[in-house]
Amino acid sequence: AQSVTQPDIHITVSEGASLELRCNYSYGATPYLFWYVQSPGQGLQLLLKYFSGDTLVQGIKGFEAEFKRSQSSFNLRKPSVHWSDAAEYFCAVASYNNNDMRFGAGTRLTVKP
Amino acid sequence: KAGVTQTPRYLIKTRGQQVTLSCSPISGHRSVSWYQQTPGQGLQFLFEYFSETQRNKGNFPGRFSGRQFSNSRSEMNVSTLELGDSALYLCASSRDHQETQYFGPGTRLLVL
Repeated sequence: AQSVTQPDIHITVSEGASLELRCNYSYGATPYLFWYVQSPGQGLQLLLKYFSGDTLVQGIKGFEAEFKRSQSSFNLRKPSVHWSDAAEYFCAVASYNNNDMRFGAGTRLTVKP
Repeated sequence: KAGVTQTPRYLIKTRGQQVTLSCSPISGHRSVSWYQQTPGQGLQFLFEYFSETQRNKGNFPGRFSGRQFSNSRSEMNVSTLELGDSALYLCASSRDHQETQYFGPGTRLLVL
């Protein structure tokens, strides 16, 4: 069965510092991988996705993620965090033939001034 | 292009009642999926509809049901509400599987 693990429940970084949010997945075949962001009381906004091809994926708001098959990881990175990036971040995996998307538990990001 | 819309945004019900939530997908999207989000269980997949047919179902009791209309709009229904059904219910649409799902703002349901 497919599953997603986000090891960090809460991360605090200073504004301007770099960020890396970890995501590990378990899936038998090549997964479809996603990162979504959720602000309080809001729905989910897609940051980026990986379906195939280049393993380094660029997304919106300056985020990128790298798919590493050997480590079953899809970590999200940003070189310089802005206060507006404070939110909850979800990694998700979906299979090739259905829309049953499995989400990690989420990582809450706090940005210090 | 308008995004996914969900109505109502907030709802308060009492135990034993039933509730119907509505989702209008992005124009041209035929797949609609529903998710439940709670602090304890996180985001969980409820079901997916495609061209008016339920194509996939998560691990929820039969009290949770849904349907999709010919214009791709979808409704989900929860009967005999329990306190544990209090959650944010999110709807997502996509052209088909293998395509990105776009989420609506959600309906926040409180069961008293």
